[in-house]
Amino acid sequence: GAVVSQHPSRVICKSGTSVKIECRSLDFQATTMFWYRQFPKQSLMLMATSNEGSKATYEQGVEKDKFLINHASLTLSTLTVTSAHPEDSSFYICSAPETRANSPLHFGNGTRLTVT
Amino acid sequence: AQTVTQSQPEMSVQEAETVTLSCTYDTSESDYYLFWYKQPPSRQMILVIRQEAYKQQNATENRFSVNFQKAAKSFSLKISDSQLGDAAMYFCAYSRSTSAGNNRKLIWGLGTSLAVNP
Repeated sequence: GAVVSQHPSRVICKSGTSVKIECRSLDFQATTMFWYRQFPKQSLMLMATSNEGSKATYEQGVEKDKFLINHASLTLSTLTVTSAHPEDSSFYICSAPETRANSPLHFGNGTRLTVT
Repeated sequence: AQTVTQSQPEMSVQEAETVTLSCTYDTSESDYYLFWYKQPPSRQMILVIRQEAYKQQNATENRFSVNFQKAAKSFSLKISDSQLGDAAMYFCAYSRSTSAGNNRKLIWGLGTSLAVNP
């Protein structure tokens, strides 16, 4: 079945560096990608919605210059955490619907980011 | 704006017993979709069950069933014959649509952590 492949699954980086997280849709076209952040034992917080070929829509309170989202193709969306700080440490998950109606929503397996 | 409320942060159930997780929501829409997702320790999001608001019949998937009360805006999940593998976070979620694009955005509840005792 359709899958969203998210990489890396875990990343540790030093404060001040940038980290890129990729989500690829396998065997379907993802015109839309939702990016979430999840703190331990908490719910998913929608950060932004990316649409292929256009600028991402960010939720209130999410810094667009901090969390750069690119959705340049129908199968790839990326989230770059720029100048990462320890408070950016979190679990990041992407999710994409297929284009056909009533299709399931596919989730990546998440990326655990630790900033030291 | 739509909201989803899960009032039980933690629940526990004995193996083989039945447990019900509560969810209420608020919306002014007449057509929408409701979901229960399971997130085990692996953090992978797994769809458990979904309900279309226009359907009166409650959705069922094997041991999982819902009690959908549209007028009361209630959407509870019943897990029968609980198994150790059912231990996870359970999230209730709302969507305006299942068509393509931004309308697929989910509104999430805060989750219920379910423990299954052997």
